[in-house]
Amino acid sequence: DGGITQSPKYLFRKEGQNVTLSCEQNLNHDAMYWYRQDPGQGLRLIYYSQIVNDFQKGDIAEGYSVSREKKESFPLTVTSAQKNPTAFYLCASSIKPVANTGELFFGEGSRLTVL
Amino acid sequence: GQQVMQIPQYQHVQEGEDFTTYCNSSTTLSNIQWYKQRPGGHPVFLIQLVKSGEVKKQKRLTFQFGEAKKNSSLHITATQTTDVGTYFCAGREGGTYKYIFGTGTRLKVLA
Repeated sequence: DGGITQSPKYLFRKEGQNVTLSCEQNLNHDAMYWYRQDPGQGLRLIYYSQIVNDFQKGDIAEGYSVSREKKESFPLTVTSAQKNPTAFYLCASSIKPVANTGELFFGEGSRLTVL
Repeated sequence: GQQVMQIPQYQHVQEGEDFTTYCNSSTTLSNIQWYKQRPGGHPVFLIQLVKSGEVKKQKRLTFQFGEAKKNSSLHITATQTTDVGTYFCAGREGGTYKYIFGTGTRLKVLA
C-alpha cells in the first residue's frame, strides 16, 4: 500500500545529542514537509521541500536540519542547538498543489522525548 | 509572516448539538484545507476550498471560504461521538507549497 512511513515512533535521547527522524513515502509525491506539534499550539512548519535537492525553512527551522537527496526520503535531524526538542514530529507529503488538490498525507508521527 | 488563528481552542458539546470552528488568516490565501486529527492520531484531510465565497458540504459538515479569502469556517450539524478530535485549517499562499496550520479546535462530544 502507498503511504508515508515515519520511524521511530518513539524516541528517547539525552540532552545535547543529535537525533535523526526518518520519513519515507512511496506516493511519488514531489513535496514533503516536517511539522512539529506541541499541546495547544497546533502544527508548526519546520522545513519543506518542493523537489529533490531543494528545501526551504519554515517558521521554526532553528535547531533543525534536513536533506532531500531522494524523492521518497526527507529525514529531519534535531540538533543539540534546538532548545526544547521534546515534541511530536509529523512528516507529510503532497503532489504539486498548483495543479491538483495538494492535500497533505501525514505519517503517523514520531514522539521525541529529551531527558 | 503568515499567521492563521482558530477559535475556539476547545469546545465541549452535548451529542446532537451543533459545532462551529472559525479560521482567520493574516494574509490572503490561495486555498484553504481542513483536517481532522483523532486523539493519538495524525491529521487526515477533509476538504479543500479554492474559490472566494465557496461553500462545500460533506454529510453533516459544511465548509465555507470567505469572500476575501482570508477566513473560513467548519460547521458540524448534530454532532456525534465519532466527531471527537481536533480540527485544523491550513492555508496556502499563492505561488508557494507552504501550508500554515491554524492552532486547531479540540472538540469533545458528551454522550
